[in-house]
Amino acid sequence: KAGVTQTPRYLIKTRGQQVTLSCSPISGHRSVSWYQQTPGQGLQFLFEYFSETQRNKGNFPGRFSGRQFSNSRSEMNVSTLELGDSALYLCASSLAPSSYEQYFGPGTRLTVT
Amino acid sequence: TQLLEQSPQFLSIQEGENLTVYCNSSSVFSSLQWYRQEPGEGPVLLVTVVTGGEVKKLKRLTFQFGDARKDSSLHITAAQPGDTGLYLCAGLITSNTGNQFYFGTGTSLTVIP
Repeated sequence: KAGVTQTPRYLIKTRGQQVTLSCSPISGHRSVSWYQQTPGQGLQFLFEYFSETQRNKGNFPGRFSGRQFSNSRSEMNVSTLELGDSALYLCASSLAPSSYEQYFGPGTRLTVT
Repeated sequence: TQLLEQSPQFLSIQEGENLTVYCNSSSVFSSLQWYRQEPGEGPVLLVTVVTGGEVKKLKRLTFQFGDARKDSSLHITAAQPGDTGLYLCAGLITSNTGNQFYFGTGTSLTVIP
């Protein structure tokens, strides 16, 4: 069974731009969660989607948004990028919301200059 | 401040030594997970513990969930270079507003051959 895939793997953007990251969950998994990982703050929860609905949201500004499609694929968008948005963005999929077992993708490394 | 504090933050040991990583919080968790993350990859789930006082063994790794479900430990016996990586604990908190995983600050382990 194929794992979680994230595209692109690496991205360089400049301040003020916006970016869209994509995540394809494991086949059959309907829940997708997004996390931001930085050396200073560690792994922090962004939001979770299930059946195209956002079920939970972490403590991030409104510049961070996401959506999920009918095939469970998910995208997250960051508008008006800031230097502090540079991070590894991880997507995790699971069968159900807040399932005990979530499987992470390799992440997208975003660098904002 | 992080909800889950891990110690030590960094650990460098010789092959064959034993080690213990701690994950502590003042919050109660429905379940607690341990992950290992290697450079350039997403975290990989090692174990999930659910019951207070629960102990799980996976080959040379022993995981324990505190009786009050606020803390956990990971013990590795006879460490090998393949154990090198970032170890993360993650606690699940369930609430009326939604369930959410909170990740620890991480322990970077280096096992020297």
